[in-house]
Amino acid sequence: AQKITQTQPGMFVQEKEAVTLDCTYDTSDPSYGLFWYKQPSSGEMIFLIYQGSYDQQNATEGRYSLNFQKARKSANLVISASQLGDSAMYFCAMRTLPEAGGTSYGKLTFGQGTILTVHP
Amino acid sequence: DAMVIQNPRYQVTQFGKPVTLSCSQTLNHNVMYWYQQKSSQAPKLLFHYYDKDFNNEADTPDNFQSRRPNTSFCFLDIRSPGLGDAAMYLCATSRFISGGSEDTQYFGPGTRLTVL
Repeated sequence: AQKITQTQPGMFVQEKEAVTLDCTYDTSDPSYGLFWYKQPSSGEMIFLIYQGSYDQQNATEGRYSLNFQKARKSANLVISASQLGDSAMYFCAMRTLPEAGGTSYGKLTFGQGTILTVHP
Repeated sequence: DAMVIQNPRYQVTQFGKPVTLSCSQTLNHNVMYWYQQKSSQAPKLLFHYYDKDFNNEADTPDNFQSRRPNTSFCFLDIRSPGLGDAAMYLCATSRFISGGSEDTQYFGPGTRLTVL
């Protein structure tokens, strides 16, 4: 069974500083995908970044980068130059592959989330 | 812009009164998902469609039904809402390609359901 763990219920960061949100995962599948989503108080889940298990390089998208350490099964999100608008809930998620003979298409297993607060 | 649209954004219903939430997409994705998210919790998958192939989660109550009349639209029907069904309902879509690796799910803005 797949599992995602986010150990930081809440994080605080000063505006313009960098922050790392932790995510560890557990799976026996050799092929998997890891995602980070941002959820502001409005409720919409916003896709931030994706890392495939076979990707050789860490994913980056603008101010977001994913520190992927496969042997340690961690996929931490790094936000550089934090902005006030970054204050939100952040979810780490893992795509599970369809089970043999099953019909599970791209199901996501989510962590419990980390609330990030950016102070001016 | 291609997107996932949910209507209404806020829905108030009475205990036991059927309610339908709608989701539409312009991404032409073949998979559509419905999630329930309660306050300060992770989203919980209720069911998903791969084209017209319906996949129900084992722990989704019978009170929740879904319809996908075409590629673009998907509906969530709650037949007899209880107080415990008050939540945010999120629709998501993805493009599943057999043997492919990246099938990012894109979410709509959600419908916040209140049950009185």
